[in-house]
Amino acid sequence: GQNIDQPTEMTATEGAIVQINCTYQTSGFNGLFWYQQHAGEAPTFLSYNVLDGLEEKGRFSSFLSRSKGYSYLLLKELQMKDSASYLCAVHSQTGANNLFFGTGTRLTVIP
Amino acid sequence: DSGVTQTPKHLITATGQRVTLRCSPRSGDLSVYWYQQSLDQGLQFLIQYYNGEERAKGNILERFSAQQFPDLHSELNLSSLELGDSALYFCASSLKDRASYGYTFGSGTRLTVV
Repeated sequence: GQNIDQPTEMTATEGAIVQINCTYQTSGFNGLFWYQQHAGEAPTFLSYNVLDGLEEKGRFSSFLSRSKGYSYLLLKELQMKDSASYLCAVHSQTGANNLFFGTGTRLTVIP
Repeated sequence: DSGVTQTPKHLITATGQRVTLRCSPRSGDLSVYWYQQSLDQGLQFLIQYYNGEERAKGNILERFSAQQFPDLHSELNLSSLELGDSALYFCASSLKDRASYGYTFGSGTRLTVV
């Protein structure tokens, strides 16, 4: 099966940098996604890592280490609108070929 | 607008009843995935269809069923509803049958069972 762990909640200050960690255990690993989800809304795609290393996209960056079963999402220059849940999702090719989501990290950005 | 359309947006019904949730995938996408998200819970995969055929099944209850029609829209049927079925139900679509092509989520249907 799959096991995905993320911190439940985090708080950070506007303009700061925050790192949201995700550890996973899975067989047939085929990539890791990060999604943003505002309360009551649909998850929206942020990033996709399939190889080790850092992927940078504007204020958001995502890192993957397959050997450690570890990823993080880095958010720079935090804005109030970044307050949301951030979902780590593992793509596994074992059994059902789909995404398995962690419970998400609820980020609150304070002034 | 993500291009994935879900109806209705809100649904309130009584225990024991049956409801149907509808999803139209983004134009050109062949795969449809259904997820359930209960309060403060992660997205739980229910079922996937690809080009009209069931492709994968997750933790879907026997009281729940789904299908994908020739025009690629999908319906999720929930029967003998219980209070615990209250949740957000999301539909997502992708071009092919592999998650590595990325999912696009609809805005969800909020089901409240009273």
